[in-house]
Amino acid sequence: QKEVEQDPGPLSVPEGAIVSLNCTYSNSAFQYFMWYRQYSRKGPELLMYTYSSGNKEDGRFTAQVDKSSKYISLFIRDSQPSDSATYLCAMKASGGYQKVTFGTGTKLQVIP
Amino acid sequence: ETGVTQTPRHLVMGMTNKKSLKCEQHLGHNAMYWYKQSAKKPLELMFVYSLEERVENNSVPSRFSPECPNSSHLFLHLHTLQPEDSALYLCASSQSTTSTDLNEQFFGPGTRLTVL
Repeated sequence: QKEVEQDPGPLSVPEGAIVSLNCTYSNSAFQYFMWYRQYSRKGPELLMYTYSSGNKEDGRFTAQVDKSSKYISLFIRDSQPSDSATYLCAMKASGGYQKVTFGTGTKLQVIP
Repeated sequence: ETGVTQTPRHLVMGMTNKKSLKCEQHLGHNAMYWYKQSAKKPLELMFVYSLEERVENNSVPSRFSPECPNSSHLFLHLHTLQPEDSALYLCASSQSTTSTDLNEQFFGPGTRLTVL
């Protein structure tokens, strides 16, 4: 079983739609839950992160973590063509040196 | 230059060639990383350097040889590669490797490597 599972997509939605991106994981030691956005021909950049459980909102983006289900989500409201990118979930435990474990990434296309 | 830069951006090489990838970070960080990104696969961590010392070598074949001469520069020396090594090679840096905080990694744009 992979430590982090993420549907690679592609996911195609019309402009203005609500997008839901998800990952599941198996390592209960993970405490930091991150979402990276990667545009074509660019490296990943951190979009937002959550420590432990709960929700976090930043503008049109909301990250949710459910540790009991080992399930994390990223919601994008009022999606824009500029949101078209690959979204990677990533996780790591806390304390000392801890490597980051990434999902495969979900490719999102928002159609005008 | 700002952030993390990588050169070359694209590289095509034969299986018998020797080439090097270069990464430079302008963020004053102490840790640098090499990742391999292949289609439909998660980012694979290859090497980690902290203050120019290698702290992780993730079972990478010896045809990949990293070098970290100082905390701002990281190289990946390539020789006798295989076609399956074709991928996007990403460099990243972070403040340290042992922070108890998030310790965000900042990525470069990557080098797209094709091995013929």
